[in-house]
Amino acid sequence: KNQVEQSPQSLIILEGKNCTLQCNYTVSPFSNLRWYKQDTGRGPVSLTIMTFSENTKSNGRYTATLDADTKQSSLHITASQLSDSASYICVVSAGNAGNMLTFGGGTRLMVKP
Amino acid sequence: EADIYQTPRYLVIGTGKKITLECSQTMGHDKMYWYQQDPGMELHLIHYSYGVNSTEKGDLSSESTVSRIRTEHFPLTLESARPSHTSQYLCASSEYATYNEQFFGPGTRLTVL
Repeated sequence: KNQVEQSPQSLIILEGKNCTLQCNYTVSPFSNLRWYKQDTGRGPVSLTIMTFSENTKSNGRYTATLDADTKQSSLHITASQLSDSASYICVVSAGNAGNMLTFGGGTRLMVKP
Repeated sequence: EADIYQTPRYLVIGTGKKITLECSQTMGHDKMYWYQQDPGMELHLIHYSYGVNSTEKGDLSSESTVSRIRTEHFPLTLESARPSHTSQYLCASSEYATYNEQFFGPGTRLTVL
């Protein structure tokens, strides 16, 4: 069964600090991995997407890494801001005909002043 | 920002009522999806469509039904709402392409009393 596990479940950091969120997956065959940001009460918004051949991708203060051998990904947030408070969801796409997505449970990040 | 819309954003209704949640996208995407998400929990796929006149059930069993008469429109209907249907419903769409990036609407938060 395809699974995506994220850690930690929740995280509190002070404004200006860095943090790293983890994602482990067992999705086969692998097509791509995305990190989404979901603000409370809103739909998820894509931050980064990585395919098998990519091991790092940046989007402003967000940097995602992918190790396809160990099936792990991380999302690093630099110089956090209050607006970074949200849930961050790791999503893996299977490389089959349906291209269905497997969602992680998300990490709920709270940035405090 | 993705051009995918959901109405209503919030809905509070009594048990036994019939409701329809609307979802429209102006991107010409062939594939559309409905997800159910309880607070703080992961997204679960309940319905999807590959195109006009195509509807499929997702991973999570749902008493709701969907229709796809037009490319841009993918409404979800509950014939008789129950308190167990209380949840957030997210609509998404994507091109019929390899990377399958899904764009999400803002969601409808449904409360059944």
